[in-house]
Amino acid sequence: GNSVTQMEGPVTLSEEAFLTINCTYTATGYPSLFWYVQYPGEGLQLLLKATKADDKGSNKGFEATYRKETTSFHLEKGSVQVSDSAVYFCALNNNNDMRFGAGTRLTVKP
Amino acid sequence: GAVVSQHPSWVICKSGTSVKIECRSLDFQATTMFWYRQFPKQSLMLMATSNEGSKATYEQGVEKDKFLINHASLTLSTLTVTSAHPEDSSFYICSVSWGAAEAFFGQGTRLTVV
Repeated sequence: GNSVTQMEGPVTLSEEAFLTINCTYTATGYPSLFWYVQYPGEGLQLLLKATKADDKGSNKGFEATYRKETTSFHLEKGSVQVSDSAVYFCALNNNNDMRFGAGTRLTVKP
Repeated sequence: GAVVSQHPSWVICKSGTSVKIECRSLDFQATTMFWYRQFPKQSLMLMATSNEGSKATYEQGVEKDKFLINHASLTLSTLTVTSAHPEDSSFYICSVSWGAAEAFFGQGTRLTVV
């Protein structure tokens, strides 16, 4: 079946540090991959997406590359800000079967 | 992208009463909507898939008689928590998605049962 495994948190970084949150997936066929962000008390917002192998999704300085050979979609940002503190979810959609990772809480300290 | 509106954003109810949460797809006709539950500091747990004009499909372990889902039109799905108890207190989120596209989420409903 379809599933997502995500790096466990919490992750605490200083401002301007480099961020990596690992995500790997299991799926049949060719799923679309996503990163969502959730701020306290809110629903999930799409951060970025990639729909086929080798696609790179990017938004707000965040990037993730769809790696079919390693079934991965790791999230990276070169220099985090305090405002990036949130919970990040990796997800896949395989023919309307949407699956989420466990979420990684990121705290960025000034 | 699709805009999903969820109402109310928060509700407090007494134990034993029922609460209805609405999820509206404002600019997309959604034959399928999804309901999730999220406990503090945890991930989303899919509760059920709401199908327009037919019965919802519940995930294993979710009580269908307790969490009533109605999807009477292409733009509205409702989740009713019946005979609510404190352990039902949680954050409930709905979403709309189709094919292999991204999901669009409502803003969530914080339910507190006292």
